Amino acid sequence: NAGVTQTPKFRVLKTGQSMTLLCAQDMNHEYMYWYRQDPGMGLRLIHYSVGEGTTAKGEVPDGYNVSRLKKQNFLLGLESAAPSQTSVYFCASSYELAGGNEQFFGPGTRLTVL
Amino acid sequence: GNSVTQMEGPVTLSEEAFLTINCTYTATGYPSLFWYVQYPGEGLQLLLKATKADDKGSNKGFEATYRKETTSFHLEKGSVQVSDSAVYFCALSEGGLTGGGNKLTFGTGTQLKVEL
Repeated sequence: NAGVTQTPKFRVLKTGQSMTLLCAQDMNHEYMYWYRQDPGMGLRLIHYSVGEGTTAKGEVPDGYNVSRLKKQNFLLGLESAAPSQTSVYFCASSYELAGGNEQFFGPGTRLTVL
Repeated sequence: GNSVTQMEGPVTLSEEAFLTINCTYTATGYPSLFWYVQYPGEGLQLLLKATKADDKGSNKGFEATYRKETTSFHLEKGSVQVSDSAVYFCALSEGGLTGGGNKLTFGTGTQLKVEL
């Protein structure tokens, strides 16, 4: 099993450009998440999904959109990139229910917006 | 709302030294508590967890005890190795039946550097 994979690994954008980050998991998990990691701030939840066709806002959703058309995929979109969105983005997935379930993380995407 | 506070780093130790990384939390209910580790250039991996008060999580020589009375979940290891150098994140989750989606709230992370 590959676990959680993310593409691309690195990307440089100019302000105003758009892009989509792809997350895929092969563990048949119901829940998927997108986080951003910034120095001194830990990980902050952008959006999450509790099942195919559903999405919900996290702590810092502004400027991002997501879609979960297939259970195994969770896409994060930036419609008009801004320098403040320079960050490392992590996708994660977990089984449903019970707060004690582990989240499995992908390797991350490093995004720079110039 | 929920929050997690952990000691600031970086923490620099000599190999075989004792490690403590403090973590305290604020939560409205009865959260599960986690320690995740991030090695350079990688994603986060679960190190250990505890799901109720007085539980002790342990893995790879690390351990942490869920203390409800002090709202703490301090990470300890008796003898660190160079290979333990990483960033350690404390986190809590109140998901599940509340419909919270098993969301995690993270601390800011503590960088550990172990030297020979």
